[in-house]
Amino acid sequence: GAGVSQSPSNKVTEKGKDVELRCDPISGHTALYWYRQSLGQGLEFLIYFQGNSAPDKSGLPSDRFSAERTGGSVSTLTIQRTQQEDSAVYLCASSLDRVRETQYFGPGTRLLVL
Amino acid sequence: AQTVTQSQPEMSVQEAETVTLSCTYDTSENNYYLFWYKQPPSRQMILVIRQEAYKQQNATENRFSVNFQKAAKSFSLKISDSQLGDTAMYFCALRRDFGNEKLTFGTGTRLTIIP
Repeated sequence: GAGVSQSPSNKVTEKGKDVELRCDPISGHTALYWYRQSLGQGLEFLIYFQGNSAPDKSGLPSDRFSAERTGGSVSTLTIQRTQQEDSAVYLCASSLDRVRETQYFGPGTRLLVL
Repeated sequence: AQTVTQSQPEMSVQEAETVTLSCTYDTSENNYYLFWYKQPPSRQMILVIRQEAYKQQNATENRFSVNFQKAAKSFSLKISDSQLGDTAMYFCALRRDFGNEKLTFGTGTRLTIIP
């Protein structure tokens, strides 16, 4: 079946602009995660959704970052007033439910803030 | 807090040889899961292998196997008969068995298989 998809694949924006990154999880996966991968770094957790609610937003680095999920499916990560340090690859993952351990990742969105 | 440490930023090995990637971790939990993910240049994170902490037997998946030492909090990945397609970044990750579902990742090891 189809895996996790993300769009756009690449995004170049100017400092101060807002951007939206989209994630389509695997059908039926109730848990959805956003991670950020900065150059030369491991993955940093941003936010976790169970259904449409976000029980863990602890990884969002500032109030410029927000995310929502609608219909228990698609999620959008929004970065307002982008800064150069926001440049990174943003990865989305989904899993079947809280009992299952394996998270399946999308190909990511590479964001470059000029 | 959980931490994962990968002390080998880069490694290279000749094709068909065996290579072992190191990972150590720290957690106060007794039950948890450990993972190795592979990230090729395509950026797609692919699960290579996983290990449940309550299982003493080391996990194996074809050419990939782990050496899980719970007391030492060590979780190394062994790749046998390495192939060119194994060239990628490899990330070790840890997840608690309950509650917050996030994965905690190490900084990765860049593995290059030399023809």
